[in-house]
Amino acid sequence: DSGVTQTPKHLITATGQRVTLRCSPRSGDLSVYWYQQSLDQGLQFLIQYYNGEERAKGNILERFSAQQFPDLHSELNLSSLELGDSALYFCATTGTGFSNQPQHFGDGTRLSIL
Amino acid sequence: DAKTTQPPSMDCAEGRAANLPCNHSTISGNEYVYWYRQIHSQGPQYIIHGLKNNETNEMASLIITEDRKSSTLILPHATLRDTAVYYCIVRSSGNTPLVFGKGTRLSVIA
Repeated sequence: DSGVTQTPKHLITATGQRVTLRCSPRSGDLSVYWYQQSLDQGLQFLIQYYNGEERAKGNILERFSAQQFPDLHSELNLSSLELGDSALYFCATTGTGFSNQPQHFGDGTRLSIL
Repeated sequence: DAKTTQPPSMDCAEGRAANLPCNHSTISGNEYVYWYRQIHSQGPQYIIHGLKNNETNEMASLIITEDRKSSTLILPHATLRDTAVYYCIVRSSGNTPLVFGKGTRLSVIA
């Protein structure tokens, strides 16, 4: 158990819809990273937040957005969903910045678009 | 971050040591080598990381060559539950994202 909690575990929805994925970090972790894993693209970094502020962006679509709240949990919002958005979405968290601390991953949310 | 090269797949007999190689010939001085694994579709699991010295923990050992251009992850007594995709990642110190390649699919065979 990594201590990182993601909800829901599974999400099934239709094209055009909007969903919110939630990530609760390990106690004391300030950084949250979001990754997408699809069959053809592998694990890809989407976006990072540190202590409530956006820190880095990867291959995140404009239809996707994220935020980190004062209690340090984070939400990834996916809108105008397309079939190609079907994937596993993982968050990973780590402690204070500027160190070599490893990231610890949650068990992911499996998103299926019908 | 430096790019890594790993064999796409390996087999290992149960109870034997699994030695997973990784090449990172363009690694720079401040970059660490991290190993993660992903069992089926679970979240990637952190295994171990190191800068230049060999490292050991309860899961594995990491051997980094003196020139730091390659490393080997050693699972001393592989079990069926170690069947997974293993990722070797080079990352500079700091709060930066991980860049995953395709990894090595390790199959532990009874």
